[in-house]
Amino acid sequence: AQSVTQPDIHITVSEGASLELRCNYSYGATPYLFWYVQSPGQGLQLLLKYFSGDTLVQGIKGFEAEFKRSQSSFNLRKPSVHWSDAAEYFCAVGTTSGTYKYIFGTGTRLKVLA
Amino acid sequence: EADIYQTPRYLVIGTGKKITLECSQTMGHDKMYWYQQDPGMELHLIHYSYGVNSTEKGDLSSESTVSRIRTEHFPLTLESARPSHTSQYLCASSDRGSYGYTFGSGTRLTVV
Repeated sequence: AQSVTQPDIHITVSEGASLELRCNYSYGATPYLFWYVQSPGQGLQLLLKYFSGDTLVQGIKGFEAEFKRSQSSFNLRKPSVHWSDAAEYFCAVGTTSGTYKYIFGTGTRLKVLA
Repeated sequence: EADIYQTPRYLVIGTGKKITLECSQTMGHDKMYWYQQDPGMELHLIHYSYGVNSTEKGDLSSESTVSRIRTEHFPLTLESARPSHTSQYLCASSDRGSYGYTFGSGTRLTVV
């Protein structure tokens, strides 16, 4: 069965610093991979997705993620964090078997220091 | 503008009441989902639908029920609310599996 692990529950960075949020997945084939962001009291917004092709994907708000099959990882990065990036970030994996159900990680809460 | 709408945003209700959480989408998506999210916890799938008159229970057992009479509408009902139902409920829809979900803003339910 597929699973998603986000090892970091909380991360604090200073504004302007670089950011990397980790995501590891377990799935027998190449899955669909997603990163979502959730601001307090809001739903989830899709940041970026990977399902084939170039393993480095660009998303909205200056985020990017790299799919590494050998490490079963899909880490999210941003070169320079803005205070408005403070939110909770969820990694999700979807199977390619046609079930259309996604498994979400437990989330990483990002705090940005001014 | 294509979007997905959830109402109400916030609901405080007494134990034993019947409630319906509304979810509507204007994108024509066949697939719709309900997730339950507790603070600091992962999202748990409680119901999903792949089309009209198709509903399935998700991975997390829930006392709620859903219906899908129209493509755009996927309401969730609790016949008798209890304090253990206090949570945030997120509705989502999708077209193809590779495209990702579009989420509504959620309904935060408090049962007192």
